[in-house]
Amino acid sequence: AQSVTQLDSQVPVFEEAPVELRCNYSSSVSVYLFWYVQYPNQGLQLLLKYLSGSTLVKGINGFEAEFNKSQTSFHLRKPSVHISDTAEYFCAVIKPGTSGSRLTFGEGTQLTVNP
Amino acid sequence: NAGVTQTPKFRVLKTGQSMTLLCAQDMNHEYMYWYRQDPGMGLRLIHYSVGEGTTAKGEVPDGYNVSRLKKQNFLLGLESAAPSQTSVYFCASSWGDRVQPQHFGDGTRLSIL
Repeated sequence: AQSVTQLDSQVPVFEEAPVELRCNYSSSVSVYLFWYVQYPNQGLQLLLKYLSGSTLVKGINGFEAEFNKSQTSFHLRKPSVHISDTAEYFCAVIKPGTSGSRLTFGEGTQLTVNP
Repeated sequence: NAGVTQTPKFRVLKTGQSMTLLCAQDMNHEYMYWYRQDPGMGLRLIHYSVGEGTTAKGEVPDGYNVSRLKKQNFLLGLESAAPSQTSVYFCASSWGDRVQPQHFGDGTRLSIL
C-alpha cells in the first residue's frame, strides 16, 4: 500500500520569501500525485497534480511541484509567497487502478505567511 | 453553482445519540466520499461510493454507516456517537476517473460530549 509523509507540520515564512513544502511517498509502483490546499474553515481545493510527462508541474496561485522518482518526492514550491497563501497544504497519492479513485493523504503542512 | 454542500455545518451530540450528515452535489459526479479530519492525521477515508446504490468501506469505517439512494446525495450516519468521533467531516465528489480532482464541501464540525 502507498503512504505519504509530509516532512514539516508547520512552516512559517515571511511575505515575499520563497517556500518549499516537502512530501515523500512510498509505493512499489507508479502513482499519481496531488497537492491540495485548505483555507481556514473551508474544504480542500486542488492546487496541482502529476500524472505523467514533465516532472515539473505548475498549478494555481503560482505554485509548482517537482516529481522526483528516484527520491520518491513531490515537493511544492512558490518563489514568493503572499499573506493570502496562509493555509494548510496536503499532499496526496493514488495508485493507478485503485478502485473508487481513493486518495491517500499526508498529515498536512500548515503554512503561515507573516508580514 | 453550489458544488458540494454539507448539512449541518456544526453539531454537538451527547454520547450514544445518533445523527445523519447529509452531502449533496450538483455536478452529476459518480463518485462520492466521506472523510474525517483530525489534527496531525490529515484526511482519512471513512466510506465511499462509486455510483447510486453502491457503498464501500474506506480506511476508518467502524462506527459509521452510509447510504447513496440518489446519485446526488451521500449520507453518513452515526448510530451511537462516541467521543472518539469528535472530528471535522468532509464530503467530496468526483467524476468516475482516478485522475479527476475531488471537489470538497466546507465540512461539518461535530463534537461528541
